[in-house]
Amino acid sequence: KNEVEQSPQNLTAQEGEFITINCSYSVGISALHWLQQHPGGGIVSLFMLSSGKKKHGRLIATINIQEKHSSLHITASHPRDSAVYICAVKRAAGNKLTFGGGTRVLVKP
Amino acid sequence: DTAVSQTPKYLVTQMGNDKSIKCEQNLGHDTMYWYKQDSKKFLKIMFSYNNKELIINETVPNRFSPKSPDKAHLNLHINSLELGDSAVYFCASSQDWAMRNEQFFGPGTRLTVL
Repeated sequence: KNEVEQSPQNLTAQEGEFITINCSYSVGISALHWLQQHPGGGIVSLFMLSSGKKKHGRLIATINIQEKHSSLHITASHPRDSAVYICAVKRAAGNKLTFGGGTRVLVKP
Repeated sequence: DTAVSQTPKYLVTQMGNDKSIKCEQNLGHDTMYWYKQDSKKFLKIMFSYNNKELIINETVPNRFSPKSPDKAHLNLHINSLELGDSAVYFCASSQDWAMRNEQFFGPGTRLTVL
């Protein structure tokens, strides 16, 4: 079993729908990252968080350290949100990221 | 200005050849990384350098040799290429080795070994 599990693996939504992607991890962490990988392959960091909640535009990321769980929400989804969203954790001990398998999101117009 | 750049973007080569991928960052970051993304899209850390010094060396065949001539550059040299080396290789950087800030990724290099 991977240390970082994401669900769902694939998600299709209609434009305007609210989208939630989940990330669960099994190790103690100091930070959690959400990344977006565009269809062209480029990777962009969306959020880094260690507690609570962060918001950027239509994207909201939350983390519950006690439950070892994070969610990424996309409000009013748009076709340009179509991408793979990747969760990664930085262990409390060590200096590397461990990645989840990604969630492929397709937003249809 | 590109923050993290990699060359080449695509690399097609025969088994047994030696090839290099170059990475440069103009963000003034101290730490740079090489990641491998396999066909199942999992990203895995290969190496990390902080101020030209190797700090992470995952279980990677010694055919892979990173070189950091200065803290803005981290190149990856691969000897005796094998079919299983086909993947997308991403370079990234962060402000420091403690990763208290986000990482910035290069555009990736798609390596195909025939």
